[in-house]
Amino acid sequence: GAVVSQHPSRVICKSGTSVKIECRSLDFQATTMFWYRQFPKQSLMLMATSNEGSKATYEQGVEKDKFLINHASLTLSTLTVTSAHPEDSSFYICSAPGLAGGSEQLFGPGTRLTVL
Amino acid sequence: AQKVTQAQTEISVVEKEDVTLDCVYETRDTTYYLFWYKQPPSGELVFLIRRNSFDEQNEISGRYSWNFQKSTSSFNFTITASQVVDSAVYFCALRRPSRNQFYFGTGTSLTVIP
Repeated sequence: GAVVSQHPSRVICKSGTSVKIECRSLDFQATTMFWYRQFPKQSLMLMATSNEGSKATYEQGVEKDKFLINHASLTLSTLTVTSAHPEDSSFYICSAPGLAGGSEQLFGPGTRLTVL
Repeated sequence: AQKVTQAQTEISVVEKEDVTLDCVYETRDTTYYLFWYKQPPSGELVFLIRRNSFDEQNEISGRYSWNFQKSTSSFNFTITASQVVDSAVYFCALRRPSRNQFYFGTGTSLTVIP
């Protein structure tokens, strides 16, 4: 069935390094994907909308140069956290509209990033 | 502007008790969708229910039931005879039909004590 996968599920990195998180749609194509960020014990906040073949749309307050999004194919979107710092430590979740195309939304399992 | 409010941040109940999680939303759209998701400690969001704004029928699914009232902009979720496995964070969310963007509430952390 159609699912959204994320890789890696967990990553620990040193401050100053860049980390890439992959979001894949399995058994379906997604021209649009969404990236959310969730701090501990807080809600999910939309960071950006990833559009296949074009630039991502970032929500207000999200640094474009900090969080690079690439949606190079219909099944893959990547989020790169550049020059990561401890305050970037968070749970990152991607999602994509389901096959029904309507209100369905499939969420990935999330990636927990810890920056030391 | 869209907004979802879950006033209850944490709830603890003893197993087999009933518990209701509140959700109040704000939107100027006449058409919209409402959702409930469960987030266990693993972090993965589990879809529970979707409701569109034109369907105010309450729904029951096993021990779960939902009460949608447009007059009060509420979409409350009740778990009957709670179980330890129900322990999780529950999110209420609203989606506008024109976009796929979800607006999440702040979540309610439910702990069911055995």
